[in-house]
Parts: sequence; C-alpha cells; structure tokens
Amino acid sequence: GQNIDQPTEMTATEGAIVQINCTYQTSGFNGLFWYQQHAGEAPTFLSYNVLDGLEEKGRFSSFLSRSKGYSYLLLKELQMKDSASYLCAVRDHAGNNRKLIWGLGTSLAVNP
Amino acid sequence: KAGVTQTPRYLIKTRGQQVTLSCSPISGHRSVSWYQQTPGQGLQFLFEYFSETQRNKGNFPGRFSGRQFSNSRSEMNVSTLELGDSALYLCASSVDGQGVSKFSYEQYFGPGTRLTVT
Repeated sequence: GQNIDQPTEMTATEGAIVQINCTYQTSGFNGLFWYQQHAGEAPTFLSYNVLDGLEEKGRFSSFLSRSKGYSYLLLKELQMKDSASYLCAVRDHAGNNRKLIWGLGTSLAVNP
Repeated sequence: KAGVTQTPRYLIKTRGQQVTLSCSPISGHRSVSWYQQTPGQGLQFLFEYFSETQRNKGNFPGRFSGRQFSNSRSEMNVSTLELGDSALYLCASSVDGQGVSKFSYEQYFGPGTRLTVT
C-alpha cells in the first residue's frame, strides 16, 4: 500500500534547529517533495530529493535515504515566520501512472 | 508569470445544493490536480486532468466531478452537498505531471476556495 508518516506537531524555540521526519511506503518512488503551508494559505515548494543525500538551500536542508524510505527536513536558525505546517509528498508510480502521495503534515510552532 | 488562480475564494452553500469551482493554471502548464484539505484528513487527492482528460482519480464519491478545457482551465463540481464537504479546495498545476524531470511535475498551488456547507 501507500503510506506517509510525519509527526503531527512539533515545538521549537526561535534561533534553534529542528528536524522534521517523514517515512514512506509506496509501490514506486520517483522523488520526494517538502512543502510549507502557513495557516490559511496554499502550500509552497521548499525542496526536492530524488537521490540519496542532503540538499541544502539556505536555512533549509532536506535529506533522503531511499533504502530506508526516510527523509527529513532540517530548519536552522528558526524564525517566528517558520511557524507553519510542513508537508512531505512522495511521487509514486505504478506502471505508467505517476502521482503525488501526501502526508498529513507536521504543524511546527516556533516560540520566542 | 501569473500564478494559479482560483475562484471564488469563499463560498457558503446549503446541504443538497451543488457548487462549481474554477481553476486557471500557470500559463504553459497542462496538468491540473484538485485536492480537498480538512484539518483531520490533510490533503486528499481528488483528481488530475491533462489535455482535457482525467488522468488520475482519488477515492471520492461520484458527486465530485471535474473537467478541463482546451486552454487548460479546469472546473470541479460537487453535487448534492453534504456537511462533510466543508473544506478548503486546492488546485495545483504542473507542466505535465508525468515527465522524468522534477520541473515537469512540481506542483504550484492556487490560494484555494474555502467552501462552507450549512
């Protein structure tokens, strides 16, 4: 079957580092996305991994291990504006059909 | 380049009514996907359209339907509304959704339509 797991909620302090984990089980794998969604707004793209390893983009980094079905999003130097929901999505493919499978999201609260 | 637009932004309907939501993708994007988002269920995939054809479908009842026009604009319709249909409906566009490059299937979301059924 297809399944994506993320923690429901996390709390961190301004200036700290937080790691949001995502584990997945899909019939095929064609890449993993992380999206950020602020309350009342649409999701916006953060990062993409298709090969194992770390992708760094400013304060945000994303890691992927395909053999373990595991990814994490690392947020450094946390700011109040980073309070949002973080969605993990896997591009699954079965035969010629490819679609995104979404996790339920991790709600991150950054406190002063 | 203009982003994905959705109309209307907010809608209040009564049980039993039907509703049509509209989505205009980014220029040049041919794939349009629709999602329902609720606090308890997260992003639930409804369907995807490409070149006026439904290419993928989620696990929603037949009351939910959609279509895509030749200019890639898409509409979704919900008939016989139920209280549980209250949600944020998001539309996302991508270049083609099936290519091997991430640029072909990275999804760009519209602001959503907030539907309230009373």
